[in-house]
Amino acid sequence: AQTVTQSQPEMSVQEAETVTLSCTYDTSESNYYLFWYKQPPSRQMILVIRQEAYKQQNATENRFSVNFQKAAKSFSLKISDSQLGDTAMYFCASRPDSNTGKLIFGQGTTLQVKP
Amino acid sequence: DSGVTQTPKHLITATGQRVTLRCSPRSGDLSVYWYQQSLDQGLQFLIQYYNGEERAKGNILERFSAQQFPDLHSELNLSSLELGDSALYFCASSVTATYNEQFFGPGTRLTVL
Repeated sequence: AQTVTQSQPEMSVQEAETVTLSCTYDTSESNYYLFWYKQPPSRQMILVIRQEAYKQQNATENRFSVNFQKAAKSFSLKISDSQLGDTAMYFCASRPDSNTGKLIFGQGTTLQVKP
Repeated sequence: DSGVTQTPKHLITATGQRVTLRCSPRSGDLSVYWYQQSLDQGLQFLIQYYNGEERAKGNILERFSAQQFPDLHSELNLSSLELGDSALYFCASSVTATYNEQFFGPGTRLTVL
C-alpha cells in the first residue's frame, strides 16, 4: 500500500527561527509527486510546495524549502524565519499515480510558532 | 479564496438520514476531487471526476456516491448516515485530471447526531 508517514504530531518553534518537519513515504511508482499542504485554523487547505520525483533539485518557495531524499523516501519541509502566520497543521502528501490526481496524505504535524 | 465553492458550510443531521454536499470548481477546471477529514481517519481521498467521468476511486463507502454534472459542478451524496460519518468534507479542483495543483474549497462540516 502507498503510505505517507509524519512522525511528529506536534512541533513548536520561536518566531524567526528555522524548523524542519519530517515526512516519509512508500511507493512503488517511478513517476510520482510530493507536496506539503498547510491547514491554518481556518481549515482552508493551502499548497505550500511541490516536488517532482524525477527532479533532483530540491524545490524552494520563498521561506519554504524541501529536502528530498529519493533513495530514503524522505521528504522534509524546512521553514526559515518562522512567522506567527505559519502556525498551522502541515500535511505531507504524495500523488503516486501519474494517471490520476489522487493524493495520499500523512497524519499531519501541528506547528506552533511562538512569539 | 481558492475559487472553489462548497455548500453548505455546516450541516447537522441525524443518523440514518441522507445529505447532499455541493461543489463548484474554479472556472476552467475540469477535474473535481472529494476528500474526507476526520479525527479517526485523517485526510482521505474519496473520489475524483474528470469532465463528467469517474477517474479514480479511494476509500469511499458504498453508502456514499458522487457525480459531476455537465456544468462541471459536483455533488457528494451520503446516505444512511452514521455517527462516524461526522467529518469535514473537502472538494478540490484542478485544470486537468493530472495537473499538479489542486485548489481546495473551504469544506463542509457535517455533524451526525
